Amino acid sequence: AQSVTQLGSHVSVSEGALVLLRCNYSSSVPPYLFWYVQYPNQGLQLLLKYTSAATLVKGINGFEAEFKKSETSFHLTKPSAHMSDAAEYFCAVSSNSGGSNYKLTFGKGTLLTVNP
Amino acid sequence: DTGVSQDPRHKITKRGQNVTFRCDPISEHNRLYWYRQTLGQGPEFLTYFQNEAQLEKSRLLSDRFSAERPKGSFSTLEIQRTEQGDSAMYLCASTLGSSGGFEQFFGPGTRLTVL
Repeated sequence: AQSVTQLGSHVSVSEGALVLLRCNYSSSVPPYLFWYVQYPNQGLQLLLKYTSAATLVKGINGFEAEFKKSETSFHLTKPSAHMSDAAEYFCAVSSNSGGSNYKLTFGKGTLLTVNP
Repeated sequence: DTGVSQDPRHKITKRGQNVTFRCDPISEHNRLYWYRQTLGQGPEFLTYFQNEAQLEKSRLLSDRFSAERPKGSFSTLEIQRTEQGDSAMYLCASTLGSSGGFEQFFGPGTRLTVL
């Protein structure tokens, strides 16, 4: 079974500061990894994904993430936080169990607050 | 591409009533997923369709839940005899991909409140 652990249910940063959201995964096969963002009362929007190409992945809105197999991590970063980044962020791993269903297994999420 | 749509966006019902939600995926997306998200948690997988075939159901999907995808287009999720524990956001996602590396596109969700 695959699983995702997001360290820190709530992260607070000042506007302009570095954003670091942590994600560790467990997978018995090479994983596909995703970061999604969710604004209040909305669905999920893909920020970026890792699909076994480059280990440093760049996404939308200035976010990037680095896949580190030795640490089973896929942490999300952004050099300078904007007020508009305040949202909930979910790390997910794609599962391929018992057939090619590729369902997503999500972490519990990290709520990012950006202070002026 | 109009995106994934879900209807209704909000549903309030009394315990014991039946409810039905609809999901319209992006046209030509052959894979469709339902997830459930409770407060403070990430979405959890409920069920998966490839075209019109329901290929997997989570153990979270009790006998009171049923999902269909007639003709491989829109999908419906029905909950019979609702319970307060069914209160959650129900999310639908679709993708055209043939591997796990393809993005799943999510709808805005249906928020269910069971009184």
